[in-house]
Amino acid sequence: QQQVKQSPQSLIVQKGGISIINCAYENTAFDYFPWYQQFPGKGPALLIAIRPDVSEKKEGRFTISFNKSAKQFSLHIMDSQPGDSATYFCAAVIRGGTSYGKLTFGQGTILTVHP
Amino acid sequence: DGGITQSPKYLFRKEGQNVTLSCEQNLNHDAMYWYRQDPGQGLRLIYYSQIVNDFQKGDIAEGYSVSREKKESFPLTVTSAQKNPTAFYLCASSIYRGQGPYNEQFFGPGTRLTVL
Repeated sequence: QQQVKQSPQSLIVQKGGISIINCAYENTAFDYFPWYQQFPGKGPALLIAIRPDVSEKKEGRFTISFNKSAKQFSLHIMDSQPGDSATYFCAAVIRGGTSYGKLTFGQGTILTVHP
Repeated sequence: DGGITQSPKYLFRKEGQNVTLSCEQNLNHDAMYWYRQDPGQGLRLIYYSQIVNDFQKGDIAEGYSVSREKKESFPLTVTSAQKNPTAFYLCASSIYRGQGPYNEQFFGPGTRLTVL
């Protein structure tokens, strides 16, 4: 059962363009939503994260938009650069309750930024 | 220079053989995790451990085994019972502060296992 659905599977953007990756979740108990960035042959690294009581979070060129009622969130990369070419994963986690903090990942999006 | 190391980077195995993947961390993290990554499926949790000498099954534990004899080490054995073991395996670790804060998981560089 895929609790976090991510789209598109792959994305090609020209340098300077906006990259948009979308995720949708089902479990309303999720209370934290991190995004991870993974370069080829490397492990993922935390990029940016958001709590569900916030509608938007911006860090440099990276912005998360969050729609709690629709159970959707998205990553926007402004002024996309070739160095942003990587695989991006959205994730969701339940911080409280009896959970240890298990991450549930989306399927991943392979982003290619052409010069 | 703190971090997570995984070895080997590439591993080839014949069908029917068990193989052990190494994961070591010097971040003094309490919790450690093993994930499997397949194209188009994201990362799926195999096993995790919050404390030495204790570990729990994740979503896809069948055909795998782990041990946690030391805080720094969390080796994963892929047994012959795993039907489709070819994948990219990622180890991660985090501080464990219990419920409440998000305990960021830090990932190692991964081991690519190929069954011949």
